[in-house]
Amino acid sequence: DAGVTQSPTHLIKTRGQQVTLRCSPKSGHDTVSWYQQALGQGPQFIFQYYEEEERQRGNFPDRFSGHQFPNYSSELNVNALLLGDSALYLCASSGTSGIDTGELFFGEGSRLTVL
Amino acid sequence: GNSVTQMEGPVTLSEEAFLTINCTYTATGYPSLFWYVQYPGEGLQLLLKATKADDKGSNKGFEATYRKETTSFHLEKGSVQVSDSAVYFCAPNSHSGSNYKLTFGKGTLLTVNP
Repeated sequence: DAGVTQSPTHLIKTRGQQVTLRCSPKSGHDTVSWYQQALGQGPQFIFQYYEEEERQRGNFPDRFSGHQFPNYSSELNVNALLLGDSALYLCASSGTSGIDTGELFFGEGSRLTVL
Repeated sequence: GNSVTQMEGPVTLSEEAFLTINCTYTATGYPSLFWYVQYPGEGLQLLLKATKADDKGSNKGFEATYRKETTSFHLEKGSVQVSDSAVYFCAPNSHSGSNYKLTFGKGTLLTVNP
């Protein structure tokens, strides 16, 4: 049973560029959340998708956008990259019981470096 | 929204020592409480959880008790091992209607020396 998979694992971009990160949830899960983890910090909630719609959003600018596909996979897009966007981006999935309690299954993350 | 105050690290212990990592939170209502662990080079994994007051979550020798009166969820282990070296995150959940999310503390780096 595959867990949460993310791609790419590492990438380097320059300021002003755009990036797309991808996530496939754990089998049987229908909800995907994205978190940003800066070096030495805890993960910060970006947004959550369910039934192909954004259900809730953290305190991130509109440069951060996302999408969920009918197969429950998801993308995170960041436009006009800033140096401060350098971080580990974590995807987490949950199923019905996870929605009730907040129990999440995390991928290993995509490490984004902005130069 | 929720907030979490977690014991500052790093924490360095010798093998078989007793571990406590303090965590206090502020939240509306009665959140479920979680400890997640991040081993070097890996993603976050759920370590344990408690869903209501006075519940004790436990896993791999770790324990934490949901203390509503002190809004705390301290993590303890009686005898740590080298393999416990990792970053530990305390996280209450919060909800808006039927939508839930986790709020993470800054994390506590634990290093266990042989």
